[in-house]
Amino acid sequence: DSGVTQTPKHLITATGQRVTLRCSPRSGDLSVYWYQQSLDQGLQFLIQYYNGEERAKGNILERFSAQQFPDLHSELNLSSLELGDSALYFCASSFSGYSSYNEQFFGPGTRLTVL
Amino acid sequence: SQQGEEDPQALSIQEGENATMNCSYKTSINNLQWYRQNSGRGLVHLILIRSNEREKHSGRLRVTLDTSKKSSSLLITASRAADTASYFCATDAGSGGSNYKLTFGKGTLLTVNP
Repeated sequence: DSGVTQTPKHLITATGQRVTLRCSPRSGDLSVYWYQQSLDQGLQFLIQYYNGEERAKGNILERFSAQQFPDLHSELNLSSLELGDSALYFCASSFSGYSSYNEQFFGPGTRLTVL
Repeated sequence: SQQGEEDPQALSIQEGENATMNCSYKTSINNLQWYRQNSGRGLVHLILIRSNEREKHSGRLRVTLDTSKKSSSLLITASRAADTASYFCATDAGSGGSNYKLTFGKGTLLTVNP
């Protein structure tokens, strides 16, 4: 158990809909990272927040947005969903804001299926 | 595009044998990390090696880094069936880019047969 929690575990929804994925980082960690993992694209970094502020952006679509709240939990919002958005979405956390200098602790993921 | 690429894509060995996975990357880096993922689960950090280090050990794991060849290898000795998983290398963008994000390769799927 990494100490990172994600809800829900599974999500099945229809095209065009909007969903929110939630992540609680490990106690004491200030950074939250979101990743998307699919068979064709592999593990893609989406976005990072550090202590409430956006720190880095990766391959995140404009239909997707995220935020980190004062209690440091984070939400990833996916809207106007398409079939291709079906994937595993992981949240990870670390103490530092520099992801390359320390390990990240991954949550168990949310499996999103868009029908 | 992927910064790190693992090789081979898949590796099947018998319990007790050693497993070697390689990672090549394109730009200079500060650090390189290896992660493991059991099927459909979250990644678990294995080891971090800094650009000024050449070799690092952790239990049955041995990681090497050759910055001149822009490559790293992960050796798992005396493999066990429980080592069956996908292994990913992750790199940052070094001095040429943001230190804030890691880029993961597509992974090597290791199967250890009992």
